[in-house]
This record gives sequence, C-alpha cells and structure tokens, in this order.
Amino acid sequence: QKEVEQNSGPLSVPEGAIASLNCTYSDRGSQSFFWYRQYSGKSPELIMFIYSNGDKEDGRFTAQLNKASQYVSLLIRDSQPSDSATYLCAVGDSGYSTLTFGKGTMLLVSP
Amino acid sequence: DADVTQTPRNRITKTGKRIMLECSQTKGHDRMYWYRQDPGLGLRLIYYSFDVKDINKGEISDGYSVSRQAQAKFSLSLESAIPNQTALYFCATSETGDEQYFGPGTRLTVT
Repeated sequence: QKEVEQNSGPLSVPEGAIASLNCTYSDRGSQSFFWYRQYSGKSPELIMFIYSNGDKEDGRFTAQLNKASQYVSLLIRDSQPSDSATYLCAVGDSGYSTLTFGKGTMLLVSP
Repeated sequence: DADVTQTPRNRITKTGKRIMLECSQTKGHDRMYWYRQDPGLGLRLIYYSFDVKDINKGEISDGYSVSRQAQAKFSLSLESAIPNQTALYFCATSETGDEQYFGPGTRLTVT
C-alpha cells in the first residue's frame, strides 16, 4: 500500500511569513511529486511539480525534494491571507499512471 | 468555458437508486480519472482510463462502475447507492499520467 503522509494542521502563520509544508512518501520507486492547493468546497488546483532532487522555485513557491529521505516540502514566501487553503501532496507511481494523495495540510494565514 | 466539466454539481438521492455522474473535457487528454473525497480520508482513486478501451480499477472501485463513451467523456455510475457513498466526487484528466487537472466536483448525498 503506497502511503503519502502529511500533518493535517492547521498550520497558522502571520501574513508575510514563510509557510513550510511537509510530506513523506513510502514508495521508493516514485518519480514525480506534486503540490495541489484546495480551497474549501473547490477542486484541487496544481501549483507545483518536481521530478529531481533539490529545489524548484516558481514565484513565491519553492518545492523541495529529497528522494533519499523520501521527503517533499513546499515553502510559501511572503504568505498572504489568500494562501489560506488545504495543500495536498501527491506522488506519482513509477509507471506515471496514477497519483497517491496525502490527506492534506490546512494552512491559515492571518492578516 | 471550463476545460473539465462535471454534471450534476449537486445531487441528493435515496438508498438503492442508480445514479450516474458525468465528466466531459475539452483538453484533449487521453487519461481520465474518478476520485472521491471524504473529510479526513483525502482523495481516493475509484477508476481510471487511458483510452476508450482501457479501463482500470483504482483503490476503491467496489460499488462503482464506469463508462468511457469517447475520449472526452467518462461517466461514473453507482448501481445501487448507499449512504456511505455520500462524498465529493472529482473527475480529473491528464496528458501524461502525472500532472492531473480536476473538474469542479459533484457533491453527492445518499439518504
């Protein structure tokens, strides 16, 4: 059984701070890693993906991958109240056919 | 117009009734997926399809069936609905199998 683990939160940060979201996964054969943002009652929205060890930056978002530790993280710089949402970590299988999702971490950014 | 649409958006039905949820996409993707989301359980894969002749069971396919009528259409059926099938259902599409794009969801309540 492939597992993706996330702290359910909520993670509370003040506006302007860095939010750090973490995820671990069980399948060492996983090759692709994703972060989705989901507002309450809405559908998941893809915000970042990463395939190689190291960091990948896109605007205020940085995804970090460490395959040896089976660990993925998402950093959100200069957090805004509009970033308040649940963040889902997803891990692709080795055949690039399906994703396994974590249960999500709720982020609350206070003004 | 939205790339991935789902109908109906909300549905209340009674135990034992047959119900169909429909998904259409204009993204031109071959791969389509059905998920359900429950509070505390995250997103779980029900069925997925790589083309009209390729249908695969996901993690929780019992009690569900699917039909891929065309590249753009993928339907999910509950043959005899039961209350624990009350959930938020999402359709998703993918070109490559990993980056997935979600429809707006169908909120299903079985009484």
